Amino acid sequence: GESVGLHLPTLSVQEGDNSIINCAYSNSASDYFIWYKQESGKGPQFIIDIRSNMDKRQGQRVTVLLNKTVKHLSLQIAATQPGDSAVYFCAEWGGDDKIIFGKGTRLHILP
Amino acid sequence: ETGVTQTPRHLVMGMTNKKSLKCEQHLGHNAMYWYKQSAKKPLELMFVYSLEERVENNSVPSRFSPECPNSSHLFLHLHTLQPEDSALYLCASSQDGGTGSNEQFFGPGTRLTVL
Repeated sequence: GESVGLHLPTLSVQEGDNSIINCAYSNSASDYFIWYKQESGKGPQFIIDIRSNMDKRQGQRVTVLLNKTVKHLSLQIAATQPGDSAVYFCAEWGGDDKIIFGKGTRLHILP
Repeated sequence: ETGVTQTPRHLVMGMTNKKSLKCEQHLGHNAMYWYKQSAKKPLELMFVYSLEERVENNSVPSRFSPECPNSSHLFLHLHTLQPEDSALYLCASSQDGGTGSNEQFFGPGTRLTVL
C-alpha cells in the first residue's frame, strides 16, 4: 500500500552543523512533495515543496532533494539553529490526489 | 500566524458531553480540512470541504460531525467520544481542494482530551 515514512524518529544535531532529514515514499505516481515543520504547541508549517519534474529545490537555508529512482526525499537544513528544533515530516500527493503524511522526525539541537 | 485560527486550543470532555471545535480561515481559500494527529502516528485526514461541500470523508465515525456554513468557517461537532479520540485536531485550508497539489495552511490545533 501507499506509505510515506521517515527513517529516524529522532535526530540530534550540533548547533551550526547541517541537518539531513530523510523520507521514503512508495507511490511512484506521486508528483508533488512538501516538507512541514511543526513546533511544540503549533500546527504544521510549510517549509518547502518540490514537484516530480525536479531533483532539487533550494530555499532559505533549506534544500529538498528528490530521488525518484529510489523514491527518496530529503530535507537539508544548513547551519542548524536552536529555532530549528521541531518535528519535521514530509507529505506526498499521490496519484489519486490524496495527500499522505509521514510520521515525522524530531530534530534536537545540541548546544 | 498562518491565517487559520482554531478554538478552543484545549478541550477536556467526558464521554457523554457534546462539544464543537471551530476553525476560521482569513486567507480567502476555497477548501478546508480536518485532521487528527495522534502521538507517533501520521496525520490522518478526516474531512475535506471544497466550496462548502464535503468532498471527502475518510471513514470517520459518526460521533464526529463536520459542518461548513461558509468558505471561511469549519466546525467539528463532537458527541459521545471515546478516550482513544484524544488527540490534536488540526484544521487546514488551501486555495483549492481535492484536485492536484495545493499548499495547505494549518491552524494551531485543538488539544482534545476525552475522559
